[in-house]
Amino acid sequence: EAGVAQSPRYKIIEKRQSVAFWCNPISGHATLYWYQQILGQGPKLLIQFQNNGVVDDSQLPKDRFSAERLKGVDSTLKIQPAKLEDSAVYLCASSLGRTSEEQYFGPGTRLTVT
Amino acid sequence: DAKTTQPTSMDCAEGRAANLPCNHSTISGNEYVYWYRQIHSQGPQYIIHGLKNNETNEMASLIITEDRKSSTLILPHATLRDTAVYYCIVRVEGGADGLTFGKGTHLIIQP
Repeated sequence: EAGVAQSPRYKIIEKRQSVAFWCNPISGHATLYWYQQILGQGPKLLIQFQNNGVVDDSQLPKDRFSAERLKGVDSTLKIQPAKLEDSAVYLCASSLGRTSEEQYFGPGTRLTVT
Repeated sequence: DAKTTQPTSMDCAEGRAANLPCNHSTISGNEYVYWYRQIHSQGPQYIIHGLKNNETNEMASLIITEDRKSSTLILPHATLRDTAVYYCIVRVEGGADGLTFGKGTHLIIQP
């Protein structure tokens, strides 16, 4: 079974530039999550989708971050404009449903903002 | 979700059992204890979860105290590949929320 795919794996941009990350969840998984992991900390949930609808985006900085999952499958997370403090690993995870026991994580995208 | 407290780091010799403690003194009756681990440069990986009975799978055992205020994850025969950050998370099973991670325990397996 293929795992959660993410691209790119690494990205370096200057502050005030924009960047987008892509995630393809495990086939058949209805729930998709984006987490932000700052160095030395545990992952923090940014947004949760159920199919193509947003379930929870309470911790998403909406003035600069946006995310979509148009067809209920893959998803993109965008930052515009980026700030230095956005430097982090962005992890995508998926699960069969919202109440599933296990979330499956991708390898993450490491973003460096200079 | 209730908060958890874990040691920042631990060492364990290869081949020995690694015992990782977690305190969750404010856990509610319908909250489960979940364990995930994160190997360097990878995403977190689910290990095991339980409510009040001890649980075992192919990766680890989970021992939860009778009052459910603390638990221990046991890796029976640690290998170098078990070096990782281990996260203890309290969550309602069937809960529809994302996971709330703390800083976890950095377990280092020594050769």
